[in-house]
Formats: sequence, structure tokens, C-alpha cells
Amino acid sequence: NAGVMQNPRHLVRRRGQEARLRCSPMKGHSHVYWYRQLPEEGLKFMVYLQKENIIDESGMPKERFSAEFPKEGPSILRIQQVVRGDSAAYFCASSPSKNTEAFFGQGTRLTVV
Amino acid sequence: GENVEQHPSTLSVQEGDSAVIKCTYSDSASNYFPWYKQELGKGPQLIIDIRSNVGEKKDQRIAVTLNKTAKHFSLHITETQPEDSAVYFCAAIEAGTALIFGKGTTLSVSS
Repeated sequence: NAGVMQNPRHLVRRRGQEARLRCSPMKGHSHVYWYRQLPEEGLKFMVYLQKENIIDESGMPKERFSAEFPKEGPSILRIQQVVRGDSAAYFCASSPSKNTEAFFGQGTRLTVV
Repeated sequence: GENVEQHPSTLSVQEGDSAVIKCTYSDSASNYFPWYKQELGKGPQLIIDIRSNVGEKKDQRIAVTLNKTAKHFSLHITETQPEDSAVYFCAAIEAGTALIFGKGTTLSVSS
């Protein structure tokens, strides 16, 4: 059973471009969470999704950021018109149901130049 | 919403000593408390967790204690080894929401 898969592992974008981060949850997991981590900082919650539904997006900036978890395929975190401040590690976690163990992927390290 | 405070931010111990990391949470409705270990360049790895109906849980050299009344929980690592060096995060969750993390503790174990 493969773990949570995130790709790409590293992503470089110029200011103003779009960044698309993908997360395939563990098999049997229908709950996905996205977190952002700045260097030497903790994990900041962004958004919680369950298949085809956004459950909680209270941690996600209102503009430029969006997330989806379609019925088929991976969850996508999309950042439009990236700025240098978006540079960070973005982690995805999945769980089989709410309020249970969540397992993290290896993250996508986004660098905006 | 939930707020999790974690102390200390850095901890240095000698190999073989014990290490204790403490966290407090704000929402009395939180009922699940996991601990994660993150090594450089990797994702957080779940190492132990505890639910609110349990006061203590142990797994080999790692133990977690929970005091619901005081709203704090702690990670205890005994007989530390150099490979225990990493950043450790505590987290708390209320049913139906997402994990909220503390700011992390950088543990350094010197041999």
C-alpha cells in the first residue's frame, strides 16, 4: 500500500505564473488535508477536503488559492499568479475518516523566482 | 478555533538521557492528539497518538501522557539516540475538523 504521493517534489515558478500541486491519498482514504510550512516554522492548516467537497478552507488565502478533490484523480492545490511569499513547502495528508490518523506525503517545495 | 502551544522550541540532550516535550491546547472539545517527527527534507511521520479517553500510551521508548483537565499533553522519549534528532510536532483535533499543530521542537541528541 503506497503512502501519500505528492508531485512534483520540487517546483520552480516565476512570479505571475500558476503552480499546481498534486496529492494522491493512500488507498482507501477519502479525507485530504493541505498544509503550508515555511522554513523553520510549523505546519499551517490550509484546507480540508473530502471527495468532491471542501469541508474547511478557513486556512486558505481568499485570493489566488484554490483546492479540489475530484471523484476521480488526485487532489489539486492551485496557486494563481504566484508571488515570492508563496515560496514554501506544501504538505498533503490523508486519512480514512475524520478524526483518525493522518499520514503525510513528502511535500512539494515551491520556489518562486 | 483550536490553538496549540508547544514548548520548548529547542531541546538538546546527551545520548541516553530522556527528553520531554509539552503541549497545551485551548479547545476542550478536542479529543485526538498525535505526535509527528519530521526529519530534514521529509514529510512529518506519525510516531504516536492518544485519544481523550486514555491518560497514557507507550510504544517502546516513546510515551505520551494526557491531562484533559489541564488541557495539556506531553511526549516522553527515553534512552535517546542520535537518530532521534529531528523536529517534533504535537497536534490536536476536534471531531470533523483538521489537525492543528504546535510550532515544533527541534531535538538534538549528542553522542
